[in-house]
Amino acid sequence: QKEVEQDPGPLSVPEGAIVSLNCTYSNSAFQYFMWYRQYSRKGPELLMYTYSSGNKEDGRFTAQVDKSSKYISLFIRDSQPSDSATYLCAMSVTDSWGKFQFGAGTQVVVTP
Amino acid sequence: DAGITQSPRHKVTETGTPVTLRCHQTENHRYMYWYRQDPGHGLRLIHYSYGVKDTDKGEVSDGYSVSRSKTEDFLLTLESATSSQTSVYFCAISSSYNEQFFGPGTRLTVL
Repeated sequence: QKEVEQDPGPLSVPEGAIVSLNCTYSNSAFQYFMWYRQYSRKGPELLMYTYSSGNKEDGRFTAQVDKSSKYISLFIRDSQPSDSATYLCAMSVTDSWGKFQFGAGTQVVVTP
Repeated sequence: DAGITQSPRHKVTETGTPVTLRCHQTENHRYMYWYRQDPGHGLRLIHYSYGVKDTDKGEVSDGYSVSRSKTEDFLLTLESATSSQTSVYFCAISSSYNEQFFGPGTRLTVL
């Protein structure tokens, strides 16, 4: 069983809708939680990073961490066609030399 | 791409040949990483470096070696390429262990 599980999608939503993405994990030692966006044939780019539990908001993006349920979420409000990409979650433990565990990624398609 | 370049960007090679991929950074970051990305597997860590000449194995290191003789360069070598090493390879850099910034990737095909 993988340490980090992520539904591969594709997740198709109309423009303006809220996109809801999530990952589950099994290692309770994870403390850092990241979301990356990857456009086709490009490298992943860091969207948001959260330490431990709680919410973090940045513009149209909100990241949530629920450590008790071992569940993290990313919400994209007012989705745009330019949000069409694959979204990867990643997580790591403290002092792990940045050895992230990545989810397999969820493909999101926002239709005009 | 946060001052990271990878070369070559595309390569086709034959089974059994050695291949070296190069990652170059202009950010002076301490940590550098090599990942491979395959459908259904996401990003998997091959090797990483926490300083010049300081490297260690990741999750899928068999058949790969690395070297880091300068802060800015991290080389990944496939000693004898196999078809199972056909993949997209990403280099990443970090100045702390909480964030990583990725290069544009190298698409490698082993025939």
